[in-house]
Amino acid sequence: DIQMTQSPHSLSASLGETVSIECLTSEGISNYLAWYQQKPGKSPQLLIYYVSRLQDGVPSRFSGSGSGTQYSLKISNMQPEDEGVYYCQQGYKYPLTFGSGTKLEIK
Amino acid sequence: EVQLVESGGGFVQPGRSLKLSCAASGFIHSNYVMAWVSQAPTKGLEWVASIGTGGGNSYYRDSVKGRFTISRDDAKNTLYLQMDSLRSEDTATYFCARHSDPSYYSAPFDYWGQGVMVTVSS
Repeated sequence: DIQMTQSPHSLSASLGETVSIECLTSEGISNYLAWYQQKPGKSPQLLIYYVSRLQDGVPSRFSGSGSGTQYSLKISNMQPEDEGVYYCQQGYKYPLTFGSGTKLEIK
Repeated sequence: EVQLVESGGGFVQPGRSLKLSCAASGFIHSNYVMAWVSQAPTKGLEWVASIGTGGGNSYYRDSVKGRFTISRDDAKNTLYLQMDSLRSEDTATYFCARHSDPSYYSAPFDYWGQGVMVTVSS
């Protein structure tokens, strides 16, 4: 199985700040990497797919980058509604696997 | 508007069975690969199973192989998860999700249901 190592486990940011979350994969995944946001008590929401493609309706302050086994999600100009848990997920092969999540809070 | 609505969750004893349903609307159900994803209390997301269009090709995570069966009825726009020989570690919220791109089996999940809780305990 492809292991997804996500970091940091948690972080806090001030409004307007830029934050980054990393995801390392145990093997190459040919850029089949997606990011999700989950708010408390809600279902996850797809933010980015294929490393850097923004899902419809997702604000442009979210961006993704990376290749090979290293990927990252950047949130620019942190807003209150960006609080939540963020997960990376590989769609290269089954079994599909998720990172352990990064909890993002407002400082 | 795409909607996925799960039902069938509840409290069940170890070793017993439960069948989850996911009613879909707002899109042509038969065109999409569908999946179940679980989330144990206070834990992260875990993919459970996916099923291809027309009911062909199903995939499962190792811990549920031989115990869970994913199926679909496109005439009813409904996805199912038959859960047998349940264990305490199966306790989780189960989400129904749609793979976004019909052209490949492992496309990301673009729509999710609200989730249904399954508790396995004696």
